[in-house]
Amino acid sequence: LAKTTQPISMDSYEGQEVNITCSHNNIATNDYITWYQQFPSQGPRFIIQGYKTKVTNEVASLFIPADRKSSTLSLPRVSLSDTAVYYCLVGDGSGYSTLTFGKGTMLLVSP
Amino acid sequence: KAGVTQTPRYLIKTRGQQVTLSCSPISGHRSVSWYQQTPGQGLQFLFEYFSETQRNKGNFPGRFSGRQFSNSRSEMNVSTLELGDSALYLCASSPRGEGGGPLSYGYTFGSGTRLTVV
Repeated sequence: LAKTTQPISMDSYEGQEVNITCSHNNIATNDYITWYQQFPSQGPRFIIQGYKTKVTNEVASLFIPADRKSSTLSLPRVSLSDTAVYYCLVGDGSGYSTLTFGKGTMLLVSP
Repeated sequence: KAGVTQTPRYLIKTRGQQVTLSCSPISGHRSVSWYQQTPGQGLQFLFEYFSETQRNKGNFPGRFSGRQFSNSRSEMNVSTLELGDSALYLCASSPRGEGGGPLSYGYTFGSGTRLTVV
């Protein structure tokens, strides 16, 4: 499974747009990029997943450039409740492979 | 629909004891995975079960074991507890099928069991 690199932490203020970039230089052709969000003492929650270009849902957008060696999770107009750890995962799940979590990015949203 | 249910939510055990944690997956999900989360090591994969069979295992000692029942409910057991076993243990269920399948199927995590070993 491809290794990912994310910033350890980020700070923002309510109402701002937050972009968290994840680097995955050795991503394989069949790999998907998936982002999870985790609040303290809770399990991770699926946010968004994509393969290329742009994906948008009601929570976030995911931008993937043509070379797919990085991806950016975009959270529009964050609120205090978006304070959490965000994980970027890369893999295709072929066979019985499993989720491999890195250290994640701790996002702190202040008033 | 009901989510993934883990019991108990909190547990305090003494070194040397054993512990059993329980996980009820989302109805219809046959794949159940277990993860250990600690401040130092982060989220680490323990094992995955499908149709009562362990089909993937992480790099943990044999003191960590698990099983899955015919109704897809799963338990994990840790024997001879050590202080370092203190962690949040998370269970995740997935609709992934017999052949595995893409991660795009998604995983739903429970809220975890907070185990403290003293």
